[in-house]
Amino acid sequence: AQSVTQLDSHVSVSEGTPVLLRCNYSSSYSPSLFWYVQHPNKGLQLLLKYTSAATLVKGINGFEAEFKKSETSFHLTKPSAHMSDAAEYFCVVSDRRGGSYIPTFGRGTSLIVHP
Amino acid sequence: KAGVTQTPRYLIKTRGQQVTLSCSPISGHRSVSWYQQTPGQGLQFLFEYFSETQRNKGNFPGRFSGRQFSNSRSEMNVSTLELGDSALYLCASYGQPQGTEGYGYTFGSGTRLTVV
Repeated sequence: AQSVTQLDSHVSVSEGTPVLLRCNYSSSYSPSLFWYVQHPNKGLQLLLKYTSAATLVKGINGFEAEFKKSETSFHLTKPSAHMSDAAEYFCVVSDRRGGSYIPTFGRGTSLIVHP
Repeated sequence: KAGVTQTPRYLIKTRGQQVTLSCSPISGHRSVSWYQQTPGQGLQFLFEYFSETQRNKGNFPGRFSGRQFSNSRSEMNVSTLELGDSALYLCASYGQPQGTEGYGYTFGSGTRLTVV
């Protein structure tokens, strides 16, 4: 069974300061891990994904995440927050089932960016 | 290329009615999956279709059903609507890598269903 825990329901930062959104996962297999972003009244947009290649994954809009197997973590970071980064972020672990990959979503972290 | 298209964007239904939502995947994608998003339960997997066959199913009652057509378009049906079915319903199509290694899901913008 797989699960994912996003450790913070809300994160508040000032524009121009670093962003850290924390995610821990549990998976019976070698996991595939993703971060998605959801802006209000929109669908989910893929930020980045880890699929057993390099442990430091670079995504869109300056985001990156590091897969740490020993800590079962996949934290999302960005060096400098922008106002447009304000959104809901979901960490996702995916397990292969029945020939396809079924995602399990974290509860989400709301990123608030102050001017 | 066009993204995942969900229709309608908004829907208001009365308890006891049924509803059908539609999802058109990215051209060439053969897998479509559906998710329910609510403030209380978050994002939950409903089911997945591949080549017109249901390949996986989440833990939802039988009132929730779906199908996929030969052109990969998918519909989701909810019968005997309950107030708790009010949610954002998202569909995602799955296909070839999209600029980074591995596979990828592309989500539509969702259908906001309100049951009154």
